[in-house]
Amino acid sequence: EVQLVESGGGLVKPGGSLRLSCAASGFTFSSYSMNWVRQAPGKGLEWVSSISSSSSYIYYADSVKGRFTISRDNAKNSLYLQMNSLRAEDTAVYYCARGYCSGGSCPPGGNWFDPWGQGTLVTVSS
Amino acid sequence: QSALTQPASVSGSPGQSITISCTGTSSDVGSYNLVSWYQQHPGKAPKLMIYEVSKRPSGVSNRFSGSKSGNTASLTISGLQAEDEADYYCCSYAGSRGVYVFGTGTKVTVL
Repeated sequence: EVQLVESGGGLVKPGGSLRLSCAASGFTFSSYSMNWVRQAPGKGLEWVSSISSSSSYIYYADSVKGRFTISRDNAKNSLYLQMNSLRAEDTAVYYCARGYCSGGSCPPGGNWFDPWGQGTLVTVSS
Repeated sequence: QSALTQPASVSGSPGQSITISCTGTSSDVGSYNLVSWYQQHPGKAPKLMIYEVSKRPSGVSNRFSGSKSGNTASLTISGLQAEDEADYYCCSYAGSRGVYVFGTGTKVTVL
């Protein structure tokens, strides 16, 4: 069974840092791009970052560029999101999602996102 | 990059059909056949319902269908059922800087 499990969320003060992890199982992790998507409480989904299968291509939303760093360890089947200089507006549930490419030329994060993990809550508050 | 525009809510009676629109621009929806749709029940993770505008993953009911015309994509749910009550989000690749943009979300209510 394909599974993604996020961890590392919690309460952090403004200006602080947090590192999220996403453990993948049930598929060949090194063959797929991966993504982080977040959802603020009561709000919609927001794409955060994408990383290609070999980490050659990395992209960020403008709202997190310069503060967040996406990375992966294919040997450990794991995806990470290092979040620095956190702000109140970064409060959200953070989901990792596999990017699926149907073949040919695909965007760095895949043509669509499937599956998604259950999410981990990050709360930025003093 | 601005969010794609969806109606805040759509409702229908059991057995009816409803359509959710997703309006973007020529830089996202209009430029790529990479629109996907996600269903999200309260407290749950999003679930893929439609990919590449109109393709349905295995396991998703054929009551769900997608289409696109110009800068607007649409999700149609036919034979509405109580279990379809959820939030629905569209998503499109927006090119250039590897950006993806989600829709504002639509709450579907089964009357």
